[in-house]
Amino acid sequence: EDQVTQSPEALRLQEGESSSLNCSYTVSGLRGLFWYRQDPGKGPEFLFTLYSAGEEKEKERLKATLTKKESFLHITAPKPEDSATYLCAVQALETSYDKVIFGPGTSLSVIP
Amino acid sequence: ETGVTQTPRHLVMGMTNKKSLKCEQHLGHNAMYWYKQSAKKPLELMFVYSLEERVENNSVPSRFSPECPNSSHLFLHLHTLQPEDSALYLCASSQDMSVTYYGYTFGSGTRLTVV
Repeated sequence: EDQVTQSPEALRLQEGESSSLNCSYTVSGLRGLFWYRQDPGKGPEFLFTLYSAGEEKEKERLKATLTKKESFLHITAPKPEDSATYLCAVQALETSYDKVIFGPGTSLSVIP
Repeated sequence: ETGVTQTPRHLVMGMTNKKSLKCEQHLGHNAMYWYKQSAKKPLELMFVYSLEERVENNSVPSRFSPECPNSSHLFLHLHTLQPEDSALYLCASSQDMSVTYYGYTFGSGTRLTVV
């Protein structure tokens, strides 16, 4: 069964304290792995798509990496405005339509 | 107005009421989706529409009834809901079924409370 887990469930960082969020997935064949950011009271906002092991993508202070079983979202020198819930999702190759499976998310708080 | 717009933002309804959620996108996308987001649980896919045709009904109870009259509008009709249906209902769109390249564009959601 296709599955996505994320850790930690919640993370508090001091401003400038770099860290990583983890996304572990089980899927028979990976079409794509996605990262989204969700602010309170809003819908998720698309950040990245990763397609194959070894791939990396960057956006401002965020860097996403992918292996065959997990993805990491590295946050370098975070700022309070990076506080949000970060969602990971995967799409399997064998799906006949656009089914995307989401993880439960990591709630990030960056303290000034 | 651009992006994906959902109305209402908040809805409180009794278990015997009938209400509808509305979603509108001005992005020229061909696929639209309903997701349910409950506290501490992952987003759950409910319905998928591609070019106004329903592609997927992900084992959703019949008290939820979707409607897609055209590629810009999506509705979710609600009737005789249960308290456990209280959640954030998110509408999303994508350019086509190839969501991988650009991801979904989500609306801000409708916070539904069933009393």
